Formats: sequence, C-alpha cells, structure tokens
Amino acid sequence: AQSVAQPEDQVNVAEGNPLTVKCTYSVSGNPYLFWYVQYPNRGLQFLLKYITGDNLVKGSYGFEAEFNKSQTSFHLKKPSALVSDSALYFCAVRPLIDSYDKVIFGPGTSLSVIP
Amino acid sequence: EPEVTQTPSHQVTQMGQEVILRCVPISNHLYFYWYRQILGQKVEFLVSFYNNEISEKSEIFDDQFSVERPDGSNFTLKIRSTKLEDSAMYFCASSEMGFETQYFGPGTRLLVL
Repeated sequence: AQSVAQPEDQVNVAEGNPLTVKCTYSVSGNPYLFWYVQYPNRGLQFLLKYITGDNLVKGSYGFEAEFNKSQTSFHLKKPSALVSDSALYFCAVRPLIDSYDKVIFGPGTSLSVIP
Repeated sequence: EPEVTQTPSHQVTQMGQEVILRCVPISNHLYFYWYRQILGQKVEFLVSFYNNEISEKSEIFDDQFSVERPDGSNFTLKIRSTKLEDSAMYFCASSEMGFETQYFGPGTRLLVL
C-alpha cells in the first residue's frame, strides 16, 4: 500500500541550530514529493516540492529538502532554526500511479524551536 | 498573495442533518480538491474536480457526499446526512493545472453531535 512515514512525532531544536524533519515513503514509480507546514488555526501552507532534477530543492523561509531515491526519503532541512519555525510539518507524496490527483500525507511532525 | 478561503471556520450540526462547506479557490485555478483530517489521523484525499465534473474520488467519498461549483468562484462540499464519524477538519485545495502544486485553505472544523 502507498504510504508516507514521518518517524518523529516531535522534534525539538535550539534556535540557531540546524534542523531536520524526516520523511520516508513507500510509493511506486517516480512520485512528486512535497512539504507543507501548518501553523495554529491556519491551513496547510506549501513549502517546497521535488519533481525531477537536482536532489536538493529549496523552498520558502529558508527551508530545503533532500531527495534520496535509493532510501525513498525526502528529509526537510534548515541550516539555522528560528522560533517562528515552530509548527506542524507534513510530508506528502503524489503517486501519479493508480491515482493522478490524490496527495498522500504523512502523519505530521511537530517542530518546536526553543529560544 | 492569493489564498484559498473556506467558510465557515467551524460548524456544529446534529447527526442526520445536511451540511454544505464552502470554498473559494484561487481565482485562476482550474482544479479543485477536498481533503479531510479526522482528529489525530492523517489528512485524507476525498475528491478532485475539474471542468464541472469529478475527476477522481476516494473510497471515503460515498453517496453521502457531493461537490459542486455553483458559480464562477465557489466550490462546495455537501454531506447529505451527517454521521458522527464525519466529524473532522475539511480542507479545500486548488491548483492551476492538474499536475501543479495544490494550495490549501485554512479548513472547516465540522463537529457532528
């Protein structure tokens, strides 16, 4: 079955330190990969995506993500965390096989950046 | 920056009642979607809509659900006879083209009593 895993429910990082939020997926073919962020009482905001090309993609607010095909991973990273980065982060995959429109979401990882 | 908007932000209804959730997609977008997130669970795809018809739907999207674009701006999700298990956050999304990024609204929290 197609699925997206985010192995950490919660990630805590000190302000100014690098952060990583992990994501692995189990989907056939060459899916599109996404990261969304959700702030309290807000919708899911698009951060970045990988479709093809360079394995390191850059997105909004200084975030980047690294695609690793052999490990089927798409980890979200930021070199220096800000307190304002504290939010819920969702990894998502668009399989394009069996379903063209559907996006499959991971369970989310709550990021807390400590001042 | 253009955003997807949704109304109402919260809705409480009695079991068996009909509810209509409303969304205004980004104005030049042509593809529309509904997702839901039951408390504590993953965001799940319900349906996609293009050119005034359903493009794709999940197994969750049964006969109780329907979608409509009643005018040039709104996109609605109707639940005909709500059940307790329909309580969830419902997200609307839109994309410019079918393969483009889906942009999400803030959600409508539906509580069925």
